Amino acid sequence: DTEVTQTPKHLVMGMTNKKSLKCEQHMGHRAMYWYKQKAKKPPELMFVYSYEKLSINESVPSRFSPECPNSSLLNLHLHALQPEDSALYLCASSQEGTSVNEQYFGPGTRLTVT
Amino acid sequence: AQTVTQSQPEMSVQEAETVTLSCTYDTSESDYYLFWYKQPPSRQMILVIRQEAYKQQNATENRFSVNFQKAAKSFSLKISDSQLGDAAMYFCGTNSGGGADGLTFGKGTHLIIQP
Repeated sequence: DTEVTQTPKHLVMGMTNKKSLKCEQHMGHRAMYWYKQKAKKPPELMFVYSYEKLSINESVPSRFSPECPNSSLLNLHLHALQPEDSALYLCASSQEGTSVNEQYFGPGTRLTVT
Repeated sequence: AQTVTQSQPEMSVQEAETVTLSCTYDTSESDYYLFWYKQPPSRQMILVIRQEAYKQQNATENRFSVNFQKAAKSFSLKISDSQLGDAAMYFCGTNSGGGADGLTFGKGTHLIIQP
């Protein structure tokens, strides 16, 4: 099973709402990632978790709050977002402890902030 | 720090023909990896091919092959016998080896397959 799943597929939220994005993998990977992708642009790294600990935060605003409850799950909590945060949010995972950091991506959550 | 440059915003090829997508990169890492990912319209990113920088031999996956020129920091993707299903945005990416590290991508090349 080389699948990374993400829910929901689509999300529309107001600027005062609180919502969460969920990502799940059952490949035994110990590294998980959040990327943000604007239309016609490449994905940009937001966060990296390694063995359930946050290892990289690419200076992301605090209105985005990641959480890794266990090795299979990754959440992204959203609060007080801005319209410019509308984008496709991609989750990925990779094996840790090996030399090749080959990442598997989920289908993404398309977020619209109104 | 890593940078990736894809100089071809869009490429077009006839079905069954061969096309080459260009990618150059810069990195301060001594141990790094290079990837090509494919993203069809409204679909998820799929790994096409990967190359370990310490390996001289060019990677090959069925109809997909790379031309890796380490000294020139070039990593082009060749698609042979192009098929309609190859139409997608192609991103070249790199990261460092040895641990969890995010990918740095180029801006992408939109590949159109003409029937």
